[in-house]
Amino acid sequence: GENVEQHPSTLSVQEGDSAVIKCTYSDSASNYFPWYKQELGKGPQLIIDIRSNVGEKKDQRIAVTLNKTAKHFSLHITETQPEDSAVYFCLLSGQLIWGAGTKLIIKP
Amino acid sequence: KAGVTQTPRYLIKTRGQQVTLSCSPISGHRSVSWYQQTPGQGLQFLFEYFSETQRNKGNFPGRFSGRQFSNSRSEMNVSTLELGDSALYLCASSLEPNYGYTFGSGTRLTVV
Repeated sequence: GENVEQHPSTLSVQEGDSAVIKCTYSDSASNYFPWYKQELGKGPQLIIDIRSNVGEKKDQRIAVTLNKTAKHFSLHITETQPEDSAVYFCLLSGQLIWGAGTKLIIKP
Repeated sequence: KAGVTQTPRYLIKTRGQQVTLSCSPISGHRSVSWYQQTPGQGLQFLFEYFSETQRNKGNFPGRFSGRQFSNSRSEMNVSTLELGDSALYLCASSLEPNYGYTFGSGTRLTVV
């Protein structure tokens, strides 16, 4: 069946540095690639998304890149801040399959 | 505008009982989907409704069921509860299926 692999499972970065999380998928039919952020005690929150006709999308410190040929999409966070600490999930929207999540830790 | 509202926030049930969880979507959203979140299995899709019709169903046993009302509010029901059903159940709504989900804070179900 369809699958999505998310890496790394845990990422610890110094405040101010960049963080990159990657999801690799097998379903060629997917055309929408969102990223969600989940803080403790809350539901996931959509932070950025991209459609398959675009290679990159940026929103302030957050960006998503998509490589449809290689079947992966990545979340990039620059100038990380303490409030970026959370669990991040990618979603393969066509099949509603979630990545396993990445726990991002921002070290002061 | 109000977000996605899930009730109750916390629930404790005994094995064998049944439970009904409620989700009120954002006004104007006609698509509602449900997810189970556990530390071991992560986020798993349960089912999705759009305009009162179930569009998609995840790989869960028939004990898990849901429905959507004409006002887009949705309920999910779990019968004959098992210990393994203990989880955070999340509801999400969107204007159309598969795009731009907004999640509620979830219902934490504990089965004892």
